[in-house]
Parts: sequence; structure tokens; C-alpha cells
Amino acid sequence: ELKVEQNPLFLSMQEGKNYTIYCNYSTTSDRLYWYRQDPGKSLESLFVLLSNGAVKQEGRLMASLDTKARLSTLHITAAVHDLSATYFCAVDSNYQLIWGAGTKLIIKP
Amino acid sequence: ETGVTQTPRHLVMGMTNKKSLKCEQHLGHNAMYWYKQSAKKPLELMFVYNFKEQTENNSVPSRFSPECPNSSHLFLHLHTLQPEDSALYLCASSRGPSGGESGANVLTFGAGSRLTVL
Repeated sequence: ELKVEQNPLFLSMQEGKNYTIYCNYSTTSDRLYWYRQDPGKSLESLFVLLSNGAVKQEGRLMASLDTKARLSTLHITAAVHDLSATYFCAVDSNYQLIWGAGTKLIIKP
Repeated sequence: ETGVTQTPRHLVMGMTNKKSLKCEQHLGHNAMYWYKQSAKKPLELMFVYNFKEQTENNSVPSRFSPECPNSSHLFLHLHTLQPEDSALYLCASSRGPSGGESGANVLTFGAGSRLTVL
């Protein structure tokens, strides 16, 4: 059974700091997705990582995928309050997505 | 507005009621999904429809009954629910397996229907 583990599950940080969210998964897959969910709103696609070594960047967020280590990271650079949200990773297993529990990120001014 | 519309946004029902959740997309997508989101738990896939055919039913209790009359509309019929069924129910759509760029299957989600069962 494919399992996806995110850590930390909760993160409170100051503006301007850097941090990384980790997404580990338990079986072979070369397709991984990151989504963002604001309170009371729907999930929004952030990044699609489709091969080993893939790196995508959008503003202060950068995601990477290491399929050999079965690990993806979401790195936040110089955090700002607007990035406060819950971040989910999801791994594609036979075209079905297996989701992590989410990381709730709070960025304090 | 994400392109996937869910109604109602909030629903309170008793255990003996019958109600339905509705989802509509006009993105030209071929696959539609129902997910259950409970506090502190990963998203739970309930049902998948691909080209109007149900392709996945993840051991969902029969008190949840999906209906997909066409590729743009998806319903979740609810009857004799339990309090533990209270959750946020999310609908999503996508181009479907291998329908996206390089085989990616990116989902577009609706805002969800918050269900409370008394």
C-alpha cells in the first residue's frame, strides 16, 4: 500500500525566514504534485513534478523531486504572510493520487 | 472561481434525511472525483468517473451514492448518514489518466460542500 507522509504537519514561522516541507512516499512513482489550500477554499495546484531531479519554482516557493529517495521538498524562501495556508503533496500511483495529510503553515508578521 | 462549482456550500442534515450534493465543471474535463476531507486526515478518494463511467469506488458505504449523468455534472446522493460522515466533501475534475501533458493528471477542485450530520 502506497503511503505518503508529510512533515512537519504544522509549522509556525516568522516572515523573512526560510523553511522546507518534506514529502516522503513508500513506493516507486515519478509523478508528484503539490497543492495549496487556504482556509475555507478549494485546493489549488502549485507544482507538477514528473521526473527524477525535477525542480519547479514560483515566486518564493520551490519544489523538487528525488524519485530514488522517494522524497519531494517544498522550500519556502523569505516567507511572507500571504503564504500562510495548508500545503499538500500527492503521489500518482497508477493514475490515482495518494495524498499526504497536509502541512499547515502559519507565517507571522 | 476555479471552474468547478459545488452546491450547496453548507448543508446540515439529520440522520434520516436524504439530500444531494452537486458538482459542475465546464473545463472540458473527462474525469470527475468525489473526495472526503476530515480534520487532521489525508484526503480520502471516494469515487472516480472517467467519461461518465465509474472507475473507482474506494469501499465507500452504500449510504453515499454517486451519479454522473454526463461528463460535466456529478452528484453525491446522501441518505441515512451518520455523525462521523460530517466533513468537507470536495469535487474535482481533470483531463483524466494520461490526458494531461507528459501523463500528468492535475486536478481542479471545487470549493467544497461542508456537511454536518446531526
